[in-house]
Order: sequence, then structure tokens, then C-alpha cells
Amino acid sequence: GAVVSQHPSRVICKSGTSVKIECRSLDFQATTMFWYRQFPKKSLMLMATSNEGSKATYEQGVEKDKFLINHASLTLSTLTVTSAHPEDSSFYICSATPLGQETQYFGPGTRLLVL
Amino acid sequence: LAKTTQPISMDSYEGQEVNITCSHNNIATNDYITWYQQFPSQGPRFIIQGYKTKVTNEVASLFIPADRKSSTLSLPRVSLSDTAVYYCLVGEDSGGYQKVTFGTGTKLQVIP
Repeated sequence: GAVVSQHPSRVICKSGTSVKIECRSLDFQATTMFWYRQFPKKSLMLMATSNEGSKATYEQGVEKDKFLINHASLTLSTLTVTSAHPEDSSFYICSATPLGQETQYFGPGTRLLVL
Repeated sequence: LAKTTQPISMDSYEGQEVNITCSHNNIATNDYITWYQQFPSQGPRFIIQGYKTKVTNEVASLFIPADRKSSTLSLPRVSLSDTAVYYCLVGEDSGGYQKVTFGTGTKLQVIP
């Protein structure tokens, strides 16, 4: 149980284009999902907290207009990297917390490479 | 958020028990302690979670002293496949959900 999926697993795009990453909780509902970014050999950094039916809460230093988050249902959150640049290349990981629990379950991650 | 401190790296031989200790001196009353395992290019995998005393599951044990200012993850008889980064996290209640901050983690290298 508590499986989280992400799609795509990896994506290569040209600079200036937008990329959408989906995060789904497959066997549970989650009012809260989180988006992290991880650079090589570094720890995960929380980017934003996504709440179903409301606006996301962004961490300090994360541009909300660049990283658009939509949490349309209790099982789906999307992260759109708008006007991507090479410095946005990273490993993006989402997590979700089942209703009534405290544990975050993580997706497998999405590798983004911006050329 | 409660900050955690762990050793940056550890080495262990196959078959040995490994104990990784994490300190979280300013843990709050409502905070839980959770450990994750991460392999390269994968998302963190939940290992174990606890609030106090001892918790055991099929893969690990978690020891938490009475003051809860530290915790120890115990991995029995490690194998080469346990080589990974292990994160100790303390969740903060942020109004209905637990928010966590990842520290540096402990890179465990299992040696044949």
C-alpha cells in the first residue's frame, strides 16, 4: 500500500518550453502533497506544499510563477516548470500523505534535463 | 522545523548490524520521527516511524529514548543492497499535515 507514482520518469526539453510533471497517489487519498527538488549528491529540498482545492504554499526562494502547482483531486498533483532553463535541470520528487496519517510516501522522481 | 544531525557516512561489513544515530534536540511534542532510505536516482523509501520507545518492523528497529532528543535506526545483518543514503526526519505539524526538512543524511556503504 501507499504507492505514489510520477510521470514522466525522465524528460528532456528545450530551453524556454514548459514541462508538466504528474504525481499520483495510487491506492490512497491525499489532501496534501509535497514537491521536492534534488541536485546531484545533495539532499532533497522542499519546494512547495500542495493542498487539494487550494493554492500551494511555496518555500522561500521558490518562484511560484515559474513552478506552477495544481492539486485538482485527492489523488493528483501536477508541477509545471514554465519557461524552463538549463539551471532548472534537476531531479523532482513528490510525496503524499494519506488522510489521517503523518507519514509521507515518495514517488520515484522525475529527471528533468533542459537543453 | 526541528533540525536533525546525522553522521555523513558509515561503512559496514556484510552481515553486521548497523546503528545510525540521529540527534534532534529541539523536537516538539507533536513531532514524529521517520527514517527513509534512498538509492541513487530514486525517491526516498519509507523505512520506519516512531514517536517514543522502540518500534520494530520487518526491516528495521527504531530506538527513541525518553527525552526524544535522539533516535537510532538499527538495521540487522546488512547486505550489499542496503548501501544507500538514510535520512532521519522529524515532522512538524503544520496545521493538519506534517512538514519535514531533509538533512544531509547518512551514506551507508556495505562492504563485502
